[in-house]
Amino acid sequence: AQSVAQPEDQVNVAEGNPLTVKCTYSVSGNPYLFWYVQYPNRGLQFLLKYITGDNLVKGSYGFEAEFNKSQTSFHLKKPSALVSDSALYFCAVRDIQGTYKYIFGTGTRLKVLA
Amino acid sequence: SQTIHQWPATLVQPVGSPLSLECTVEGTSNPNLYWYRQAAGRGLQLLFYSVGIGQISSEVPQNLSASRPQDRQFILSSKKLLLSDSGFYLCAWSRQSYGTEAFFGQGTRLTVV
Repeated sequence: AQSVAQPEDQVNVAEGNPLTVKCTYSVSGNPYLFWYVQYPNRGLQFLLKYITGDNLVKGSYGFEAEFNKSQTSFHLKKPSALVSDSALYFCAVRDIQGTYKYIFGTGTRLKVLA
Repeated sequence: SQTIHQWPATLVQPVGSPLSLECTVEGTSNPNLYWYRQAAGRGLQLLFYSVGIGQISSEVPQNLSASRPQDRQFILSSKKLLLSDSGFYLCAWSRQSYGTEAFFGQGTRLTVV
C-alpha cells in the first residue's frame, strides 16, 4: 500500500534561514509525490509535485523539493524562510493501483520566527 | 480555467439533524472527486471518492454518505448528525491522469452541537 510519513509535528526556523520539512514515502512502483500548504481555516494549496525527471523540483512561492529514491524521501525546502510561510504543510502520494486516491501525511506545522 | 466551489463555509447543526454539503467543479469534465475530513487542524481523512457519475467509493464506515448526481457535483450527506461529525470538510477534484495534482475547495467548518 502507498503511504507517506512526516516525522515532525512542528518545525521552527528563524526568518531568513533555510527551512526543510521532511517526508518519506513507501510505494509500489513509481511514486507520484506532492506537497501542499494549508493556512488556517482554508483549503489546501498545491505547491509542487514529482512525477519523473529531475530530482530537484521547483514550485510556488520559492519552494522546492528534493526527490531521493535511495532514501525514499521527498523533503520540502526553501533557501530563505519568511514569516508568511508559517502554515501547515502536507506531503501526499497518489495511489496508482487503480483507485486514484491521494494519501496524505499527518502534516507538519512550520513556524517562522521573526 | 477550473474552479471548485464548496458551501457553506461554516455550519452549526444540532445533533440528530440532517446534513447536506455541496461541491461543484467548473471548467473541466469527468473529474475525480473527493471528500476529506480534517479534525483538529491536522491530518486529512479520506471519506469518499468518485471516478464518475453514480460511482462512489467509501473509505470509512460512518454516519455519512456521498452522491454524485451530475458529472461535476459531489454531495456529502447525513440523515442524523452526531457530535463526532464535527470537523473541517474539504472537497477536492483532480484529473484522471495519475500525475496530476488535486485542487481543493475552501472547506466547510461543521460544528455539531
